[in-house]
Amino acid sequence: DTGVSQDPRHKITKRGQNVTFRCDPISEHNRLYWYRQTLGQGPEFLTYFQNEAQLEKSRLLSDRFSAERPKESFSSLEIQRTEQGDSAMYLCASTPRDSQEQYFGPGTRLTVT
Amino acid sequence: AQTVTQSQPEMSVQEAETVTLSCTYDTSESNYYLFWYKQPPSRQMILVIRQEAYKQQNATENRFSVNFQKAAKSFSLKISDSQLGDTAMYFCAFMKQRGAQKLVFGQGTRLTINP
Repeated sequence: DTGVSQDPRHKITKRGQNVTFRCDPISEHNRLYWYRQTLGQGPEFLTYFQNEAQLEKSRLLSDRFSAERPKESFSSLEIQRTEQGDSAMYLCASTPRDSQEQYFGPGTRLTVT
Repeated sequence: AQTVTQSQPEMSVQEAETVTLSCTYDTSESNYYLFWYKQPPSRQMILVIRQEAYKQQNATENRFSVNFQKAAKSFSLKISDSQLGDTAMYFCAFMKQRGAQKLVFGQGTRLTINP
């Protein structure tokens, strides 16, 4: 399977802990997106990378959130000092050049207790 | 800012029936894309159909077709001959042609196909 993969699929953490999620896009997809989806809602945009550069961040992305994409490969999303309100599904999507279709991964479900 | 509204939180039809999911959006952009994504239970989001705003012809993909009304900012999805595997959350999404090309999603419609 050469789709978008995300790790871990589920994460339970205590409030105040740091967590990191990984996304591996489809090979040669130069654009990568992170979204957050809470229960019963549509996904909301968090941040966007073109190649290695993080070109846009949502206001939803507080200073506790950081993302990176070294060497146009995988991306990581870190949440520091987690809060209960961070509980959600975190989705990653990638897009090839000259295309608008976003291919989604299975998501990482975060539960903050 | 763009907004997408899906006014039907849930719908339920019998297998083989036709069902239409509604979506309206608000934008000041002239050029953009519209999408319908499907999210089956506990599975990942997949693209169902897309429409370029500059195209007058409605997109069709097998049993799935759209009714795109640009002036009314309406973008509905019609599923013909519905199948049990069509059971899923359906999200309407908007994308500007320029910039980051991020998706702006509606709240979703939970569609259940009954045997």
